[in-house]
Amino acid sequence: AQSVTQLGSHVSVSEGALVLLRCNYSSSVPPYLFWYVQYPNQGLQLLLKYTTGATLVKGINGFEAEFKKSETSFHLTKPSAHMSDAAEYFCAVRIARELSFGAGTTVTVRA
Amino acid sequence: DAEITQSPRHKITETGRQVTLACHQTWNHNNMFWYRQDLGHGLRLIHYSYGVHDTNKGEVSDGYSVSRSNTEDLPLTLESAASSQTSVYFCASSESSSRQFFGPGTRLTVL
Repeated sequence: AQSVTQLGSHVSVSEGALVLLRCNYSSSVPPYLFWYVQYPNQGLQLLLKYTTGATLVKGINGFEAEFKKSETSFHLTKPSAHMSDAAEYFCAVRIARELSFGAGTTVTVRA
Repeated sequence: DAEITQSPRHKITETGRQVTLACHQTWNHNNMFWYRQDLGHGLRLIHYSYGVHDTNKGEVSDGYSVSRSNTEDLPLTLESAASSQTSVYFCASSESSSRQFFGPGTRLTVL
C-alpha cells in the first residue's frame, strides 16, 4: 500500500521568501509523484510530476521538486513567493492507475 | 477543447435522499475517478472505472455507487444521503499517461 504525508497543514511566508512544502511517501514499488495546486473555488491543477529520470523536476509558476529515494521525500520549493501562490497544495503518489493524496498544505503569502 | 465537467456545482439536500452527481469528459479517457475532499483528509478515492462497464471500490466507497455505461460519463450516486457525506466531490479522468485531469468539483451539503 502507498501513503502520502504532508508535514504542516498551514504554511505562511512573506512575499519574496522561499516556499518549502514537505511531502513524504511510502511505497513498496518505485512511485510516480505529483504536486497539485488548488486555488479557491477551483479544481486541481498539476504543478509538476516525477516519473523516471532526473530527480529534480521543474514545474509551472517557478515551482520545482526533488525526488529523494533515500529519504522517501518529494518536497516542493519555490525560491521567491508571490501573492498569487496563495492556495492549497497537494502531494500525491501513483501506483498503477490510482492516486493517493496527502491531506494538503494551505499556503498564505504575507505582503 | 476537450474538458471534464461536473454538475451540479453546488447542491443542498436532506438526509435520506438519493443524490446523483454527474461527471462528463470529452477526452475519450478510459480511466475515471471520483474523490471526496475533506479538511484534514485531502482527497480520498471513492470509486473508479477503467472502462465501460468496469467499476471498482476505492478507499471510502460505503454509501456510494457508480455506473459506467459509456466512455464519457461516470455518475456518482448517494443512495441515501447522510450528513457525513457533506463534502466537495471531484471527478477526474486519465488515459495511459500518468496525469489525471480534474473537474471543477461539486459542493454537496446534506442537512
